[in-house]
Amino acid sequence: DAKTTQPNSMESNEEEPVHLPCNHSTISGTDYIHWYRQLPSQGPEYVIHGLTSNVNNRMASLAIAEDRKSSTLILHRATLRDAAVYYCILRAGYSTLTFGKGTMLLVSP
Amino acid sequence: NAGVTQTPKFQVLKTGQSMTLQCAQDMNHEYMSWYRQDPGMGLRLIHYSVGAGITDQGEVPNGYNVSRSTTEDFPLRLLSAAPSQTSVYFCASSYSSYGGTEAFFGQGTRLTVV
Repeated sequence: DAKTTQPNSMESNEEEPVHLPCNHSTISGTDYIHWYRQLPSQGPEYVIHGLTSNVNNRMASLAIAEDRKSSTLILHRATLRDAAVYYCILRAGYSTLTFGKGTMLLVSP
Repeated sequence: NAGVTQTPKFQVLKTGQSMTLQCAQDMNHEYMSWYRQDPGMGLRLIHYSVGAGITDQGEVPNGYNVSRSTTEDFPLRLLSAAPSQTSVYFCASSYSSYGGTEAFFGQGTRLTVV
C-alpha cells in the first residue's frame, strides 16, 4: 500500500479554519485519498474522500494537489468537537484500509 | 438504520478462555473487516471479508478466527485469549472494497485479558 506522511499533532483555536496536510508522494493513479477521524473513545468516522478533484461535503473540504502527491483536509470553522485524530489513507481499487498514526488535532476555546 | 453494531462493549477474559466478538451491520454491505487498536497506535487489520463465505487474513491474524455465513454478521473468535490480545477491537463495513467507497465503523469492544 502507498504510504502517507502526516504531522503528529496540530493546534487550532475554536472557530478558526484548520488545514491538515498529508503527503503521499508514491500515490498511484488508482489510489483514492480518504480521510477519517477518531474522537476519543470512539470508532473512526468517515470524513471525506477524493480521487483527483477537490471535494466538499458538510463536514470538510479536501484539496488535492495537481500532481496528487499531497492533499489538505480543510475544516472551515473548528469546534471543540473537532478535536480528534485525523487519518489520511490511500485506498487503491479493491483493497483494505491501512491506518497510520494520523494527526492529533487539539482545539482550544 | 443502526449502522455497525458491536457487542459486547467491554469484556474481561482470563488467559486461555475463548470468546466471540459480535459485529452486525444493516446496510447490506459486502465488505466487512476487523481491526485492533493498541494504546497510542493506529488501527491494524486482523481479518476481512469481501462477501458471505469469503474471508482473508489481514496484518495481524494470529490467534483469531472469522467466518461469514451471512451478509449481515462477521464474528471474530478468540480461540485461547492471551494478555497480548488486550486491545480495543473495531469492526467496519463498506459497500465494497473498491477504493472509492466509504467505511463505517462500530463503537468498539474494549477487551482486557488477565
